[in-house]
Amino acid sequence: SQELEQSPQSLIVQEGKNLTINCTSSKTLYGLYWYKQKYGEGLIFLMMLQKGGEEKSHEKITAKLDEKKQQSSLHITASQPSHAGIYLCGAALNAGNNRKLIWGLGTSLAVNP
Amino acid sequence: DTEVTQTPKHLVMGMTNKKSLKCEQHMGHRAMYWYKQKAKKPPELMFVYSYEKLSINESVPSRFSPECPNSSLLNLHLHALQPEDSALYLCASSQVNRGSKNIQYFGAGTRLSVL
Repeated sequence: SQELEQSPQSLIVQEGKNLTINCTSSKTLYGLYWYKQKYGEGLIFLMMLQKGGEEKSHEKITAKLDEKKQQSSLHITASQPSHAGIYLCGAALNAGNNRKLIWGLGTSLAVNP
Repeated sequence: DTEVTQTPKHLVMGMTNKKSLKCEQHMGHRAMYWYKQKAKKPPELMFVYSYEKLSINESVPSRFSPECPNSSLLNLHLHALQPEDSALYLCASSQVNRGSKNIQYFGAGTRLSVL
């Protein structure tokens, strides 16, 4: 079974709508990383969360890590076509080693103008 | 500057060829990574170098040979590859400090096709 569950697998929204992507672990997360990837390109770092209850925002994207540090959500407000792509969460499940990350399977986002 | 540069962007090679992928960063990062990514899948870790020494090898076949000549450069030497090795190869770099964020910054990747 997948150690890091990401949902939904894919999402199609109308421009201007809000959306949320979830990333859930059965183990404590010692670091949770959100990346965005365009098809065939590299991963672009969005945000990193470490502390339970932590919330970070960048432009119209907000990421949260729950108090128990086992789930993170990525929320996009007023989506735009430029938000389209694949969103990946990566997690460090070991307090002493955050170089080897566990990855979710990704959420494919399409935004229709 | 969070740039990791990978060359070439595309590579087509036969199963008997020898080729190399290159990666460069100038962020002062002392950890560098090679990942393999198949279509619609997350990246799979292959190798990690810390302070120019190989620290993680995820049981990668010997036809893939990594090299870290200095703290800014990372190479992946390819020899006798199979068609199933066709994929996007991603390089990343990060700081090494224990307990720090160690955010991995990725290059744009090399699209490899093995014929």
